[in-house]
Amino acid sequence: DQQVKQNSPSLSVQEGRISILNCDYTNSMFDYFLWYKKYPAEGPTFLISISSIKDKNEDGRFTVFLNKSAKHLSLHIVPSQPGDSAVYFCAAIYGNKLVFGAGTILRVKS
Amino acid sequence: DAGVIQSPRHEVTEMGQEVTLRCKPISGHDYLFWYRQTMMRGLELLIYFNNNVPIDDSGMPEDRFSAKMPNASFSTLKIQPSEPRDSAVYFCASSFFGGQGGELFFGEGSRLTVL
Repeated sequence: DQQVKQNSPSLSVQEGRISILNCDYTNSMFDYFLWYKKYPAEGPTFLISISSIKDKNEDGRFTVFLNKSAKHLSLHIVPSQPGDSAVYFCAAIYGNKLVFGAGTILRVKS
Repeated sequence: DAGVIQSPRHEVTEMGQEVTLRCKPISGHDYLFWYRQTMMRGLELLIYFNNNVPIDDSGMPEDRFSAKMPNASFSTLKIQPSEPRDSAVYFCASSFFGGQGGELFFGEGSRLTVL
């Protein structure tokens, strides 16, 4: 029973273009959402977050959008760079539990 | 300043053997989490502790899995007996405020292969 779903296992984007990673959730009790980035042989690292009372949060090239009615969030990376190639995990919080999606592999081609 | 430290980084063992994974959280963090990463399910929460006390172990797959946190600076995840389907990367993470808006800091993971 996956409460956080990332339906695209992988995404390939040209350098300089926009990368859009999507995430859907089923539990309406989630009140905080995060994106983590993971390079091979390393642990995930925090990238950006958004509270359920907001619909957008920006941090440099990274913007997270939240659509509560659709239970959907997305991460936009503009412009994409080769160093952004990694696995991106969507995560949601309820209480003290952080629930992750399965991840999306992003490849940025130069 | 040291991050979350996990050992061993790699473990190869045979089915039926006992496996112990170790974690040293960041000093001052009062929450500790154990996650397992697989291709199919991504990052699954196995168990988490608050102030050394296990709070939620509903993600622990079977009785073969156990976790302890004897003090604020050390935790173990034990699998006994191990099976090939336990092969995965196991991550430990710590934080100040649990998951409630708080960032989790992950270790580099322990890659377990059970033959």
